[in-house]
Order: sequence, then structure tokens, then C-alpha cells
Amino acid sequence: GAVVSQHPSWVICKSGTSVKIECRSLDFQATTMFWYRQFPKQSLMLMATSNEGSKATYEQGVEKDKFLINHASLTLSTLTVTSAHPEDSSFYICSARDPYGYTFGSGTRLTVV
Amino acid sequence: GENVEQHPSTLSVQEGDSAVIKCTYSDSASNYFPWYKQELGKGPQLIIDIRSNVGEKKDQRIAVTLNKTAKHFSLHITETQPEDSAVYFCATKGAWGSNTGKLIFGQGTTLQVKP
Repeated sequence: GAVVSQHPSWVICKSGTSVKIECRSLDFQATTMFWYRQFPKQSLMLMATSNEGSKATYEQGVEKDKFLINHASLTLSTLTVTSAHPEDSSFYICSARDPYGYTFGSGTRLTVV
Repeated sequence: GENVEQHPSTLSVQEGDSAVIKCTYSDSASNYFPWYKQELGKGPQLIIDIRSNVGEKKDQRIAVTLNKTAKHFSLHITETQPEDSAVYFCATKGAWGSNTGKLIFGQGTTLQVKP
């Protein structure tokens, strides 16, 4: 089946620094990828839709300058959290549309100290 | 906009019993209904899905039923095992407007299977 690889699985960074999270489709081409944020004991909250070769579409209330998304190839999308602050600490998950449905990455636990 | 309601929020069953989780949705044009299992600290994993041209689908101990008229679908797990303990999410694929192509998630159900 379709496989999506997400890295890193966890990261700790200092306030004010930037962190990049990668999402790769390993065995299929993903023209569309999605980035979610998940708080403890809550559902997945869609942040943005990433389309290969074009600008990402952000959900209402998501700061596009803070959460930079790049989808430069059919197998890679990246999310960069810029000038991170403790309130950005969360679990970030990517997803890709595969030929059958939607496959999710394993998630990235971001802790900003 | 599109909304998915999931119940119950928590479910505790004895090993070997059945578990049923229900979801209702608002967009009658939705045509794809997946269920995901999420273990602690991991991403959601697809366990079963159903499309709008069928009413029921089964895969070993797991089944999903869909009632398009009533706009609800359910996950059925039989002969539950402790390893079934996790958070389960239903979802629908948005079919109109700004939600087209996006998954709309339910609130999640924490299933605990007691040995």
C-alpha cells in the first residue's frame, strides 16, 4: 500500500528558531498533500493543503507567514515553523492523496522551549 | 459547512465483546468514508473505508456500514482485543466548495479494551 514518510518524528527547538518538517510519499506521486495539527486528546485540525508546483492553501486562522509550506516535487512537501514559540508546540501530521485514498505520516512532535 | 459528529467520545469494553462507533455527516454529496486508528504518538492509520456505492464492507473483525439516506456510518469491531485500544476517527471527504477533496474528521473515540 501507499507509504508516507514524515521526519523528524520529534524535535525540540529554542524559541525564535525555525524548524522544518518533511513529508515524503515513497511509492506514489502525491500532487496534493495536507498538513494537520493535533492537540492532546483532540481531533486533527487541517492547517493547509499543499499542491505540487503551486502555493499552499491555508485554512482560516492559520498564519501563512509562520507556517511555510513548500511542495516542490511530486514526492516531497515541507512545513517550516518560523520563529517558533512555546505555543507552537504540538503534534504535526502530514497526509497525501494516494491513488486509493489518503495516507498519513507518522507525525512530528514539536516542543519549543 | 461540512460537519461530522462522532459518538461516543469514549468507549470501554471487555475483551471479546463488540464495539460500535457511529458518525453522522452533513454533506449529502460526500462519497468516501474512511476510518482511522491512531495510537499514542503516531499518525492515523487507515483501517477500513467505504464508498457511497456500497452499504457495508467487512474486513475480518472490522466492518463499516453506511446509510446515505440518514447520512450516518458506523464502525463495528467484533471480538475485541487489548491491542484494539486506541483512538478511532471517522472522516468524510468533502465534496463541495472549499472543502472539496479535504477530509473532514469526527471528534474521535477513545476505545479501551479491558483484558
